[in-house]
Amino acid sequence: DAKTTQPPSMDCAEGRAANLPCNHSTISGNEYVYWYRQIHSQGPQYIIHGLKNNETNEMASLIITEDRKSSTLILPHATLRDTAVYYCIVRYTGTASKLTFGTGTRLQVTL
Amino acid sequence: DAGVTQSPTHLIKTRGQQVTLRCSPKSGHDTVSWYQQALGQGPQFIFQYYEEEERQRGNFPDRFSGHQFPNYSSELNVNALLLGDSALYLCASSPGLAGGRTDTQYFGPGTRLTVL
Repeated sequence: DAKTTQPPSMDCAEGRAANLPCNHSTISGNEYVYWYRQIHSQGPQYIIHGLKNNETNEMASLIITEDRKSSTLILPHATLRDTAVYYCIVRYTGTASKLTFGTGTRLQVTL
Repeated sequence: DAGVTQSPTHLIKTRGQQVTLRCSPKSGHDTVSWYQQALGQGPQFIFQYYEEEERQRGNFPDRFSGHQFPNYSSELNVNALLLGDSALYLCASSPGLAGGRTDTQYFGPGTRLTVL
């Protein structure tokens, strides 16, 4: 699986958009970009995933660049409950496809 | 619809003992993966079970073993516990082949194992 690079930490004011970047310059054509988050001591929570088109769901939007070498997770209106570690993961799909977690980005949402 | 459940939530063992952790997958999921998360680190893949067989294994010693039952639930067994085995153990389930190419994994709350 391709490796990812994320900033170790970011701050965001409550109510503002949080934009979390991820670099995955060695991604291959059949690898998806997945985002998970982990609130302190809980299990990781699935947020969103995509292949090459931008994706949106009730939690977030995922913007993938045209060359697929980077992506941005957007939380449109961050709240204090969005404070967590966010993991960007690139993986092949399929039944034997593990998730390889890096160190993620610690997002701190403040008043 | 219940999500992934794990038991127990917390466990304290001493070095050399053996431990069994349990996982029930999300309804409709037939594939179970186990991860170990040491303090301050991201989860590390241990192994994955599908159709009651271990399908893929991460870089963990043979002291770590597992089992999947016909109802898709799973157990993780760790023998000869070491202090370094203290961690949060996470179970994730996914729809496997039924999920097609986007085989999204959903995690349980984890079991916190402390080895003294």
